[in-house]
Amino acid sequence: DGGITQSPKYLFRKEGQNVTLSCEQNLNHDAMYWYRQDPGQGLRLIYYSQIVNDFQKGDIAEGYSVSREKKESFPLTVTSAQKNPTAFYLCASKASGLYNEQFFGPGTRLTVL
Amino acid sequence: ILNVEQSPQSLHVQEGDSTNFTCSFPSSNFYALHWYRWETAKSPEALFVMTLNGDEKKKGRISATLNTKEGYSYLYIKGSQPEDSATYLCASYNTGNQFYFGTGTSLTVIP
Repeated sequence: DGGITQSPKYLFRKEGQNVTLSCEQNLNHDAMYWYRQDPGQGLRLIYYSQIVNDFQKGDIAEGYSVSREKKESFPLTVTSAQKNPTAFYLCASKASGLYNEQFFGPGTRLTVL
Repeated sequence: ILNVEQSPQSLHVQEGDSTNFTCSFPSSNFYALHWYRWETAKSPEALFVMTLNGDEKKKGRISATLNTKEGYSYLYIKGSQPEDSATYLCASYNTGNQFYFGTGTSLTVIP
């Protein structure tokens, strides 16, 4: 089946540790996105990538890093510099073109203890 | 940062009632307005992608309209059913290739 996978579904880390969230898609989409959701807020863009080996910061990129070495994969690292890392993280992808919708993964809930 | 607003924040309706929500967005640098449905324990799924002023789209009992000049979109659900219970998100897609999401409208349909 085509789709987007994120792993793990739940993740617990100690404060001060870096952690990497996985996002894989087999939809052959060029664009991929990472969002963060906090209670009472809309999805906020962390990073996005329009093409392999290229990515741009979103509105809340501080404390996060990404890579896009393969079209299928867009991992997000939450570093110890992120002040409030506990949140729900959603990955999405989109086919090239202005009017295509995003497809979302199931999300990862990260809790930093 | 674009300010996309949705109202109401939450809504409870009886089965069979019709309802509607609002999404307002900045009209500058606009490419498209997306509506997504996000059911509990599932991933958000696209309902509509709307681009032209005056656009109207329909999928079953759900329809949406778009006014790009004044910067708003309405989502209508006719004859709500319990399976319509979800959070409905709108997102503005602009010339920066970024999506800006509203906070969503949480709909609960009471049987």
